[in-house]
Amino acid sequence: DAKTTQPPSMDCAEGRAANLPCNHSTISGNEYVYWYRQIHSQGPQYIIHGLKNNETNEMASLIITEDRKSSTLILPHATLRDTAVYYCIVRVVGGTASKLTFGTGTRLQVTL
Amino acid sequence: GAGVSQSPRYKVAKRGQDVALRCDPISGHVSLFWYQQALGQGPEFLTYFQNEAQLDKSGLPSDRFFAERPEGSVSTLKIQRTQQEDSAVYLCASSLLRQTYEQYFGPGTRLTVT
Repeated sequence: DAKTTQPPSMDCAEGRAANLPCNHSTISGNEYVYWYRQIHSQGPQYIIHGLKNNETNEMASLIITEDRKSSTLILPHATLRDTAVYYCIVRVVGGTASKLTFGTGTRLQVTL
Repeated sequence: GAGVSQSPRYKVAKRGQDVALRCDPISGHVSLFWYQQALGQGPEFLTYFQNEAQLDKSGLPSDRFFAERPEGSVSTLKIQRTQQEDSAVYLCASSLLRQTYEQYFGPGTRLTVT
């Protein structure tokens, strides 16, 4: 699976949009981009995934550049409950092995 | 509905003791994963089951680690002769389909070896 690079930490004011970047310059054509987050003392939680088109769900939006070498997770109106470590993961979907390879993620702190 | 549950939530073991960590996946989920998370790090893959078959155990750090899922539902991760470096949070995740996108994680078991 391709390696990802994320900033170690970010701050965001409550109510503002949080934009979390991720570089994955060695991504292959059959690899998807996933985002998970981990709130303190909980297991990781799936947020969103995409292949090459931008995606949006009730939690977030995912913007993938045209060359697919980077992406941005957008939390449109961050709340204190969004304080967590956010992991960007790329992996092939298919076959029998679908493990997740986590990096160290971005620690997002949402403040009043 | 119930999510993935793990027990115990906390375990303290003396060095050299054996421990058993339990994972109850979401009912009907075919795939089950174990991950190990050291303090300040992201989770690292240990092993993967599809139903009762252990298809990938490449992440198990030593032969002291053993996992099973005999009936394709509940899984147990066993660590023999625990060492201090085994101290970590052990996370279990399950997914509905073999080729699904989303894994559902349990809250983890925090193991402390003294």
